[in-house]
Amino acid sequence: NAGVMQNPRHLVRRRGQEARLRCSPMKGHSHVYWYRQLPEEGLKFMVYLQKENIIDESGMPKERFSAEFPKEGPSILRIQQVVRGDSAAYFCASRSGSTNEKLFFGSGTQLSVL
Amino acid sequence: AQSVTQPDIHITVSEGASLELRCNYSYGATPYLFWYVQSPGQGLQLLLKYFSGDTLVQGIKGFEAEFKRSQSSFNLRKPSVHWSDAAEYFCAVGARNFNKFYFGSGTKLNVKP
Repeated sequence: NAGVMQNPRHLVRRRGQEARLRCSPMKGHSHVYWYRQLPEEGLKFMVYLQKENIIDESGMPKERFSAEFPKEGPSILRIQQVVRGDSAAYFCASRSGSTNEKLFFGSGTQLSVL
Repeated sequence: AQSVTQPDIHITVSEGASLELRCNYSYGATPYLFWYVQSPGQGLQLLLKYFSGDTLVQGIKGFEAEFKRSQSSFNLRKPSVHWSDAAEYFCAVGARNFNKFYFGSGTKLNVKP
């Protein structure tokens, strides 16, 4: 059973381009979380999704950032018109059900904006 | 407001020595409490969790943590550290509906031979 898969591991973008980060949760997991990690900081909650629904996006910047978790396929975190301040490691985590608290994390995507 | 504080950014201990990593939290209700470990370039792995009951919980790799409600703390301990324990450790609190998990800023552990 593969773990949480994130790709790409490293993503380089120039200012103004779009970044798409993908997360395939563990098999059977229908809950996905996205976190951002900056050096010397902890993980900052961005968004919590269930299949086809955004449950809590209170940690997402109001502009340029969006997330989805379609019925089929991976969850996508999309950043439009990237700026240097978006450079960070983005982690995805998944869990199986409403009564299961255990989070499984992917290895993250390191986004570098030039 | 919910928050998790890990006051020690870096800690260095000698191999074989005991370890205690501090964690304090602020949360409006009784939270779920977690400790995670992160190796370089990797995601986080769950070490242990506390939901209720016995305030001393055991985890993987010989770690344990004690929940102290009066101090709003959930410190992580290990009696004898191994070189392979060198990593970054994160304390987290979770809402009881699991909608959110709040993480501390982490403590980097260095182990001297």
